[in-house]
Amino acid sequence: GENVEQHPSTLSVQEGDSAVIKCTYSDSASNYFPWYKQELGKRPQLIIDIRSNVGEKKDQRIAVTLNKTAKHFSLHITETQPEDSAVYFCAASLPGFQKLVFGTGTRLLVSP
Amino acid sequence: NAGVMQNPRHLVRRRGQEARLRCSPMKGHSHVYWYRQLPEEGLKFMVYLQKENIIDESGMPKERFSAEFPKEGPSILRIQQVVRGDSAAYFCASSPRLRDPAGELFFGEGSRLTVL
Repeated sequence: GENVEQHPSTLSVQEGDSAVIKCTYSDSASNYFPWYKQELGKRPQLIIDIRSNVGEKKDQRIAVTLNKTAKHFSLHITETQPEDSAVYFCAASLPGFQKLVFGTGTRLLVSP
Repeated sequence: NAGVMQNPRHLVRRRGQEARLRCSPMKGHSHVYWYRQLPEEGLKFMVYLQKENIIDESGMPKERFSAEFPKEGPSILRIQQVVRGDSAAYFCASSPRLRDPAGELFFGEGSRLTVL
């Protein structure tokens, strides 16, 4: 089955800096890669996703890049703000499978 | 349109008791997923159900855990004879239909189980 690894486990940045979180996946057939944000004690919520036929996707201050050859994808947050502080999870899914396999999460702390 | 509803939000059980966690998917959603989140860890897939069918239970422990999604009513995750290691947050998610590639999962607020 699919396996997803995520780095770093914690990331501290100053407000206004950029943050990058990286994930690798094991099964080259995976075709869907979402990113979820989970604030303390809250539900995970989708912030951006990318399909395997696309190399990059942007939505305001966040972007995701996908390298299918290397089997890794990254989340980029620019101009970070304190409200970006949360745990971020990457995930992957295989064609024909509805379930998502999640990475272990990155705790992002943005200091004012 | 109400989101995914889970109850109870918090549940305390003593070792050996049973825990029942309920999940009502979003209106119009017929696919339900259960994930477990241990403290300071990620989301681990447990089971994927459609109405009256278990589609994928590859993440469910073989003993003490069971799940159902009846024709009427919420999905239920049942843990029998709970042990301290079962203490975790259990998240339910739903999606509207089969999609390829898979799309967004809509999560509930979670049920936090504490086993004393």
